[in-house]
Amino acid sequence: DIQMTQSPSSVSASVGDRVTLTCRASQGISSWLTWYQQKPGKAPKLLIYEASTLQSGVPSRFSGSGSGTDFTLTISSLQPEDFATYYCQQANSFPRTFGPGTKVDIK
Amino acid sequence: EVQLVESGGGLVQPGGSLRLSCAASGFTFSSYWMSWIRQAPGRGLEWVANIKEDGSDKYYVDSVKGRFIISRDNAKNSLSLQMNSLRAEDTAVYYCARDALATNRVMDNWGQGTLVTVSS
Repeated sequence: DIQMTQSPSSVSASVGDRVTLTCRASQGISSWLTWYQQKPGKAPKLLIYEASTLQSGVPSRFSGSGSGTDFTLTISSLQPEDFATYYCQQANSFPRTFGPGTKVDIK
Repeated sequence: EVQLVESGGGLVQPGGSLRLSCAASGFTFSSYWMSWIRQAPGRGLEWVANIKEDGSDKYYVDSVKGRFIISRDNAKNSLSLQMNSLRAEDTAVYYCARDALATNRVMDNWGQGTLVTVSS
């Protein structure tokens, strides 16, 4: 199985900050990388797929990049509604696997 | 509007069985792969299984193979997860999700989840 790691495990940031989250796959996954956002008590929400394609309706302050084993999710200007946990997930092979998540909280 | 509503969760003893259901509406159910994903209390997400549009292809995570069965009824717009030989480590919120059109790589809509607790 492909193992996914994320760093940092948590980050404290302020509204307006630029935040970059990292995801790494244990082997190459081309661009088959998806990012989800989850708020407490809620279902995950799709943000970005195929490493860099923004899901319809997701604000343009979110962007993704990377290929192979190393990926990033960037929030260009953090908004109050962005405080959440972010998960990456590989879609290259079965079983699909998620990273452990990065929690973004208020500084 | 896409809606996915899970049901069937509850408290079950170790070794017991439970059947989860997911009622889908707002889209052509038979045109999409569907998935189950779970999240243990306070933990991260774990993909469990998915099933092809016509039910002819299914994939599972190793930890549930031989114990869980994913199925669908396209006439009733319904997805199911039959869970047998349940263990304490199966305790989680179980989400059903729709895979994006023409792919099984991206889960673009999720239900609100149903809690399964395995305990004596």
